[in-house]
Order: sequence, then structure tokens, then C-alpha cells
Amino acid sequence: EADIYQTPRYLVIGTGKKITLECSQTMGHDKMYWYQQDPGMELHLIHYSYGVNSTEKGDLSSESTVSRIRTEHFPLTLESARPSHTSQYLCASKKTGGKSEAFFGQGTRLTVV
Amino acid sequence: SQQGEEDPQALSIQEGENATMNCSYKTSINNLQWYRQNSGRGLVHLILIRSNEREKHSGRLRVTLDTSKKSSSLLITASRAADTASYFCATVTQGGSEKLVFGKGTKLTVNP
Repeated sequence: EADIYQTPRYLVIGTGKKITLECSQTMGHDKMYWYQQDPGMELHLIHYSYGVNSTEKGDLSSESTVSRIRTEHFPLTLESARPSHTSQYLCASKKTGGKSEAFFGQGTRLTVV
Repeated sequence: SQQGEEDPQALSIQEGENATMNCSYKTSINNLQWYRQNSGRGLVHLILIRSNEREKHSGRLRVTLDTSKKSSSLLITASRAADTASYFCATVTQGGSEKLVFGKGTKLTVNP
């Protein structure tokens, strides 16, 4: 059973609002990731972190920002939501090392109206 | 661009048949992993193959890796209706950051 949690599961919000998507894991994993996925489509890496205070942008340019102040917590923030941000956001974590798999949260489905 | 391009994009087979999905990638990797996703939910890890391995088995799953061609395949034998899902390959880059990048996925439908 994966101990990685995302909140909220669903969010409908108006254009221009600031939002924070939460992701927490209790497995002590160093590596954490955020992906954006439209229904039935590929996962795009938008941010990743390889430890506390270490974050990198992913392959897909995103207006969101992330922080990693604590090992277990990797929130994603959108300062001003737009309809183009409507998507599913998936968070994942893994242990450091070549044999380790990633564990995923259930995702946050964001709709900006 | 993303690593891990899969083909086919969609595959429809009958229960009991085998399903083969292929994945190609572009850079040096530490390992390659396959994941399954049901109806837009979170992904579940299926199997991992390291860059120095050529083949791996787990139950009805068989994965091969050809680092010279930068490609991998996932074979699901004796498929069941419950195997209907999207399957993604993901590569972990070499180096400390262990960037995890996914391909476009193959949508598998197993008809009863």
C-alpha cells in the first residue's frame, strides 16, 4: 500500500485564483515528482525534487512552482489559475537508488472555469 | 521531448491472447520501468529492469531491454479482461537527480 497522499482529489476554481495542490508521503523518500496528465494522454513531468531544498523544472514548461522544505511534503502552487491549467496533476515519490520504483498518489483533477 | 515513446498507441485483443507493447527512449538510463494506469487514476508499478539486464519475468509479465537500440518491450501473456488499462514505460536517468520520465502509453483493451 502506497503511503502517498494528494489533496484535494477534485478542485473547481475560478480564473485568477491562487491554488496549492498538496502532496505528502510517509515513506521517507528523497525523490518526488509532479506530472500533468490530460485524460487518456501521456504524463508530462513538470517538476521534480531530489531532496530537501532541491527542485528542478521538468520537461514541460509550467507556470506552477514547487517547494521542498520537508522531505515528506512537496506542494505545487499556481499563483493565478487559468482555464489552460485544467488537467489532472499526479504526484509520485521514490527512494534513491537504481532498484526503486515510484509510488503515485491518486491525483488531483483541477478544473479552472 | 519526452523519453519513452510507446507503440502501439492502442491495442485491442481477445482474452487469452498475448499483448506486446514496445517502448523507445533517447538517453542513457539507469533503469526502465513499466507502469499501469486504470481510468485516469494513479499509476501502479509493474516491473523494473536495470540497464545491465536483458530480460526479466514477473508472473505473466515479461520485459526485455535492448540498450543498444534504446528499446524495451512488455509482454503480457494469457491476457484477462482485468488487464484492460493504459501501460506506460518510464526511464530513470543516470546521475543523482534520477529524473523519471514517462512515454505516451499504450491503451490496452482485452475483450472477454
